[in-house]
Amino acid sequence: NAGVTQTPKFQVLKTGQSMTLQCAQDMNHEYMSWYRQDPGMGLRLIHYSVGAGITDQGEVPNGYNVSRSTTEDFPLRLLSAAPSQTSVYFCASSYSGYSYEQYFGPGTRLTVT
Amino acid sequence: AQSVAQPEDQVNVAEGNPLTVKCTYSVSGNPYLFWYVQYPNRGLQFLLKYITGDNLVKGSYGFEAEFNKSQTSFHLKKPSALVSDSALYFCAGGGTASKLTFGTGTRLQVTL
Repeated sequence: NAGVTQTPKFQVLKTGQSMTLQCAQDMNHEYMSWYRQDPGMGLRLIHYSVGAGITDQGEVPNGYNVSRSTTEDFPLRLLSAAPSQTSVYFCASSYSGYSYEQYFGPGTRLTVT
Repeated sequence: AQSVAQPEDQVNVAEGNPLTVKCTYSVSGNPYLFWYVQYPNRGLQFLLKYITGDNLVKGSYGFEAEFNKSQTSFHLKKPSALVSDSALYFCAGGGTASKLTFGTGTRLQVTL
């Protein structure tokens, strides 16, 4: 099993550009989530999904969109990048809900200039 | 709103000595509590969790954590630290809400 994969590993965007961070898991997990990690702030939940076709907002959803058309994939879209979105982004999945162990991807380091 | 606090940015300990990384929480209802570890340039890895049952939870790599309801704490412990335990440790918790809140992380530095 590849586990949770994320692409790209690194990305530089200019302010106002849009892009999609890809996340896929091959463990047939129902629950998937996106976090951003900023120095001194830990991980903050952006969006999560409890199954295909179902998504909900986390703690910091503004400026991001998600969709979950399949169990395997959970892409995160930045609509119009801002410097405040410079961060490391982690995707995670678990069997069913956050109360189960979450498996994290390797992360995407995004810089917005 | 739920919250998780890790009061120490860094913990320094000598190899072979016991270590403790502190965590306190504020969640509604019965808490789900976790410890995750992050090595440089890697994603987080699960160490252990408390859902219900025994207050002392044993996890990976010899780590354990003690759930204390009266003090709303979930401190991570290990009897004998290794240099390879040096990493960033995150406590996380959730209650009746379906979302997990992470602490700000504690950097553990184990020296020879």
